[in-house]
Amino acid sequence: NAGVTQTPKFRILKIGQSMTLQCAQDMNHNYMYWYRQDPGMGLKLIYYSVGAGITDKGEVPNGYNVSRSTTEDFPLRLELAAPSQTSVYFCASSSAAGNTIYFGEGSWLTVV
Amino acid sequence: AQTVTQSQPEMSVQEAETVTLSCTYDTSENNYYLFWYKQPPSRQMILVIRQEAYKQQNATENRFSVNFQKAAKSFSLKISDSQLGDTAMYFCAFMKQWTGNQFYFGTGTSLTVIP
Repeated sequence: NAGVTQTPKFRILKIGQSMTLQCAQDMNHNYMYWYRQDPGMGLKLIYYSVGAGITDKGEVPNGYNVSRSTTEDFPLRLELAAPSQTSVYFCASSSAAGNTIYFGEGSWLTVV
Repeated sequence: AQTVTQSQPEMSVQEAETVTLSCTYDTSENNYYLFWYKQPPSRQMILVIRQEAYKQQNATENRFSVNFQKAAKSFSLKISDSQLGDTAMYFCAFMKQWTGNQFYFGTGTSLTVIP
């Protein structure tokens, strides 16, 4: 009954550091997404993937990279962290276009 | 581009009463999906209800129902018999049919249920 699992839940980074947010789903979903949510705002799509080996940019991809080597995993890489990347990050997945999207519990990232 | 507008940043309701949250959207698409998601203080996103645009019948899930007005591009959420556990941020979301690449989210409505 795991669904979408994100790690870590909390992280503090220094400016210029790099890190990877891990995301895994056990529902055999083809579609996976990374969103960020800034305080008082809705969600903005960073990157998405429609299947293993296929990724594409969303609305706010700058400063991030992703890979999708397996159906289950969709890690998000932050290179050269900046204070503007302080946010809550949500990984999500869905089984097909138009189907319900399932979210992870979020990862709080602070860049200082 | 699709836009989703939630014009009520904050709302409150007495426990056991009914409240309606508003959502409008702008699209040139004819086939699409609409969703309401709940985000409690834990920040986890939880699906409340889903509506396919081709269905005229309004979706219902227990105490939650929608009023879907396709011509007016309106998709409001009604919560009946409000409970303290309904206190959360509520997001309206839009997705085009035949594409899994992007959900468009509104900015949310913060709902507080008052005991």
